[in-house]
Amino acid sequence: QSVLTQPPSVSAAPGQKVTISCSGSSSNIGNNYVSWYQQLPGTAPKLLIYDNNKRPSGIPDRFSGSKSGTSATLGITGLQTGDEADYYCGTWDSSLSAHVVFGGGTKLTVL
Amino acid sequence: QVQLVESGGGLVKPGGSLRLSCAASGFTFSDYYMSWIRQAPGKGLEWVSYISSSGSTIYYADSVKGRFTISRDNAKNSLYLQMNSLRAEDTAVYYCARDYIAVAAFDIWGQGTMVTVSS
Repeated sequence: QSVLTQPPSVSAAPGQKVTISCSGSSSNIGNNYVSWYQQLPGTAPKLLIYDNNKRPSGIPDRFSGSKSGTSATLGITGLQTGDEADYYCGTWDSSLSAHVVFGGGTKLTVL
Repeated sequence: QVQLVESGGGLVKPGGSLRLSCAASGFTFSDYYMSWIRQAPGKGLEWVSYISSSGSTIYYADSVKGRFTISRDNAKNSLYLQMNSLRAEDTAVYYCARDYIAVAAFDIWGQGTMVTVSS
């Protein structure tokens, strides 16, 4: 069971908007920056969002991130079939010993 | 071209050892914190270990503490993971990843190397 909780799956039609939630605690999301990753089938993960809401160079502004308290959210607008992938949130956790934690992943289906 | 290339994976028996390597190119390797992250077949991402740019600070996941050792050679632009006492549950694709700004934001990933622990 993952330290960060994500819904197993979400779905939406092309062109629509979808949000993916990531719930944690004060030892991780509540006091650290959140990152989001996209993993297309058979490939390595790709950084989409860092520092809660910043996009690396080359990531379209259709992808957005936000954080409130101990939860974070990834938003994707103008859905495309190419967005079908697994999405993961991640952050530091400073509970007993410093370590990195990820959510269990959310499978996005673009109907 | 900024890239990471892992090697060293393979099939090993339970209790055996394996050493993974990650060759970095296209950036100043010694400036960045690095991590190993794994993904069991059909499962999610699991962080394994983290090393600071100088190698002076190291963290491990509880699941590998005492069995795995992370290290780096900045002169060779290389990251390593020595894995001992391997178990079936260590079977996974192992990725090395660069931490963009030392806040667990991994912006560069290798292609991964598969480790299979089986008798």
